[in-house]
Amino acid sequence: QSALTQPRSVSGSPGQSVTISCTGTSSDVGGYNYVSWYQQHPDKAPKLIIYDVSKRPSGVPDRFSGSKSGNTASLTISGLQAEDEADYYCCSYAGSHTFVFGVGTKVTVL
Amino acid sequence: EVQLVESGGGLIKSGGSLRLSCAVSGFSVSSNYMTWVRQAPGKGLEWVSIIHNDWTTYYTDSVKDRFTISKDNSENMVYLQMNSLKAEDTAVYYCAREYYKKMDIWGQGTVVTVSS
Repeated sequence: QSALTQPRSVSGSPGQSVTISCTGTSSDVGGYNYVSWYQQHPDKAPKLIIYDVSKRPSGVPDRFSGSKSGNTASLTISGLQAEDEADYYCCSYAGSHTFVFGVGTKVTVL
Repeated sequence: EVQLVESGGGLIKSGGSLRLSCAVSGFSVSSNYMTWVRQAPGKGLEWVSIIHNDWTTYYTDSVKDRFTISKDNSENMVYLQMNSLKAEDTAVYYCAREYYKKMDIWGQGTVVTVSS
């Protein structure tokens, strides 16, 4: 149950797009279409922003999008805004009723 | 209102025990899957345990045989009994609903500090 690999940080200017990768194995990311993404602001609880690889919960802006290719999932934030500055975590179902999270990526809005 | 409220965290010595509680409102634990996720200071999220609506339970390897997840359908509560605590168990512990392979509702967390 090793943590999924994410870049430690990404940054972009307001209005730009940033993409966060999430790399696992064929036993988790590559084996299931159950990748979710969570946004966490400092000292706050995580918030679901993407599920089932590319679906957005009600209320999440459409500038957040997700995709997957092989063992790597990606989260793209288009039209970056100041309030998007936060930590982002991917999560994948890993079989046998277990889950694995990514190490997290800090998004900085320049 | 849908809400999860954790409690029971605190400072405990290594080797000790602690029971965390999660009070659920707005939906029934009897028909949902409930999880615990933790976050060590300055670190990422770590999935810890899950209890299904049929009472079956699963754990991450590092807490197996030490932690026990349970629930009380009548009280709409979820619990995490933590025994033989280690310094590396120090974290914020979040209760969350697992709904079709995603954690869609989260509590605010409760802090557990294990002193060596």
